[in-house]
Amino acid sequence: GEDVEQSLFLSVREGDSSVINCTYTDSSSTYLYWYKQEPGAGLQLLTYIFSNMDMKQDQRLTVLLNKKDKHLSLRIADTQTGDSAIYFCAETPNQAGTALIFGKGTTLSVSS
Amino acid sequence: DAGITQSPRHKVTETGTPVTLRCHQTENHRYMYWYRQDPGHGLRLIHYSYGVKDTDKGEVSDGYSVSRSKTEDFLLTLESATSSQTSVYFCAISLGTGGTGELFFGEGSRLTVL
Repeated sequence: GEDVEQSLFLSVREGDSSVINCTYTDSSSTYLYWYKQEPGAGLQLLTYIFSNMDMKQDQRLTVLLNKKDKHLSLRIADTQTGDSAIYFCAETPNQAGTALIFGKGTTLSVSS
Repeated sequence: DAGITQSPRHKVTETGTPVTLRCHQTENHRYMYWYRQDPGHGLRLIHYSYGVKDTDKGEVSDGYSVSRSKTEDFLLTLESATSSQTSVYFCAISLGTGGTGELFFGEGSRLTVL
């Protein structure tokens, strides 16, 4: 079945780079997403990558996609305390019209 | 911008009572979703809707029902609440026309069942 796996916790110091990893199972996923959830709030779309790309950069964010290994990563450069949040990886399902499949989320803790 | 309002935002109820959570969108997006978020489980899909009166089950639909009589409203009902349904419930809409793609989430409804 479809499944998305993420490590649960990551702790970094302010100014360092953070790398959050994700593995997914559905090789037919057309888009893969990263969502961010700040305390007490809903999820917000952070970035996404189309499956025919292997890298996407958006300011401090870099998404890398390895389709062969079904591995997705999110790199945050110059991590700030405001980046502390839960980050969710999500894949599109193999059945059109059904919902995104989310990982359990990685809690990023940034210390100053 | 898409707007979603969830109500109530917080509710405490007792086991066995019925509970209805409401999700209201301000635009005519076709696809709407109800998720629950629990520690250690991430987000799990309860039910979703692909149009007025068109709904389908998600991964954890037992104990929940939904209704969508208008495009803008998607209701989640717990007929007889149990303590295992204590959770944070999120409504989401799909901004894409095909149902997948970017989801926009509400602020969540925190439900405590005593």
